[in-house]
Amino acid sequence: QKEVEQDPGPLSVPEGAIVSLNCTYSNSAFQYFMWYRQYSRKGPELLMYTYSSGNKEDGRFTAQVDKSSKYISLFIRDSQPSDSATYLCAMSPGGYQKVTFGTGTKLQVIP
Amino acid sequence: EAQVTQNPRYLITVTGKKLTVTCSQNMNHEYMSWYRQDPGLGLRQIYYSMNVEVTDKGDVPEGYKVSRKEKRNFPLILESPSPNQTSLYFCASSPRQGNQPQHFGDGTRLSIL
Repeated sequence: QKEVEQDPGPLSVPEGAIVSLNCTYSNSAFQYFMWYRQYSRKGPELLMYTYSSGNKEDGRFTAQVDKSSKYISLFIRDSQPSDSATYLCAMSPGGYQKVTFGTGTKLQVIP
Repeated sequence: EAQVTQNPRYLITVTGKKLTVTCSQNMNHEYMSWYRQDPGLGLRQIYYSMNVEVTDKGDVPEGYKVSRKEKRNFPLILESPSPNQTSLYFCASSPRQGNQPQHFGDGTRLSIL
């Protein structure tokens, strides 16, 4: 079993839809949670960064962490064609421990 | 502009011909790392470096070498490339490992024939 599981998709939604992207994990030591967005032929870029449980909102994006269920989510409101990309979750216990990435979910927003 | 620069962006080469992929960052970050990204396997760490002259193996180090002689540079060396090293490679840096988000380069697509 992988330490971090992420549905690869592809996920196809109409423009304006609410998108929900999710990851589950097995390592209860994870404390830091990140979402990266990766456009085709580009490197991953940081989208959201949270510590421990709770919600964090940034514009149309909301990150949620439920440590009791070992489950994290990224919500995208009013999705746009420019949101079409692969979304990677990442997490770490912190300190000098390495970051573990999910395999990514490919999202397509159709105009 | 803060950035991680990788070169080359694309390379097609043959088995056994030594190659180096360069990586440079301008953010004075201590931590640098190399990943390979393969379909269905995601990002897997090859090697990382906590600081100058400090390097360590990641999850898939076989067939690769690295060096960190200067803080800004972290080259990835394939001494005798093989076809199973055909992949998309990313260099990343951050102020430190673990609780700091990483900045990624735009990737190097290597094809080993």
